[in-house]
Amino acid sequence: SAVISQKPSRDICQRGTSLTIQCQVDSQVTMMFWYRQQPGQSLTLIATANQGSEATYESGFVIDKFPISRPNLTFSTLTVSNMSPEDSSIYLCSVEDETEGAFFGQGTRLTVV
Amino acid sequence: QKEVEQNSGPLSVPEGAIASLNCTYSDRGSQSFFWYRQYSGKSPELIMSIYSNGDKEDGRFTAQLNKASQYVSLLIRDSQPSDSATYLCAVNGLYKLVFGAGTILRVKS
Repeated sequence: SAVISQKPSRDICQRGTSLTIQCQVDSQVTMMFWYRQQPGQSLTLIATANQGSEATYESGFVIDKFPISRPNLTFSTLTVSNMSPEDSSIYLCSVEDETEGAFFGQGTRLTVV
Repeated sequence: QKEVEQNSGPLSVPEGAIASLNCTYSDRGSQSFFWYRQYSGKSPELIMSIYSNGDKEDGRFTAQLNKASQYVSLLIRDSQPSDSATYLCAVNGLYKLVFGAGTILRVKS
């Protein structure tokens, strides 16, 4: 299993600003995943972050809005840019193992006002 | 057709009863199947994994897999109020897990 530290745990932001969420894993992993979970909804994959290459974004998510960095095998950041109230969600990072499944960070509860 | 389907619920069961949660998936090539529990405001946590047809038991939890029917289920015996949560089914895809929408379980004391 992996231990994932994610921060901040929550934030309240003004519309039009940006927030960067950090995710640190206690072991080296090839891929890290970023999810969004809107109120009362399930997980929606935003993008997959690979070290040494551009992130792969899912349909409906674009790099300009959700830029991702992956500078090494244990760390990744997700930025939510030019925020609007519709971006209010929980954002989760995870790592996945084919046999052990996914392990999640604590999540970042974002409120945009 | 969604790749992983779950009944959103809520599923309400009395304390001490068996809760049965169901999940179907579309990719016949899937090999790994997982159940996650998510309490309100918390991250999902893995409670069961299953890879072979049949049943797998862990304490009060039993996962059942039927690959021919593309069906995986989770049984919770002796349900407790603390089991009240959203249960997410996940299936391995090409390079990522695919999650269902989740079933809300409410255990009434």
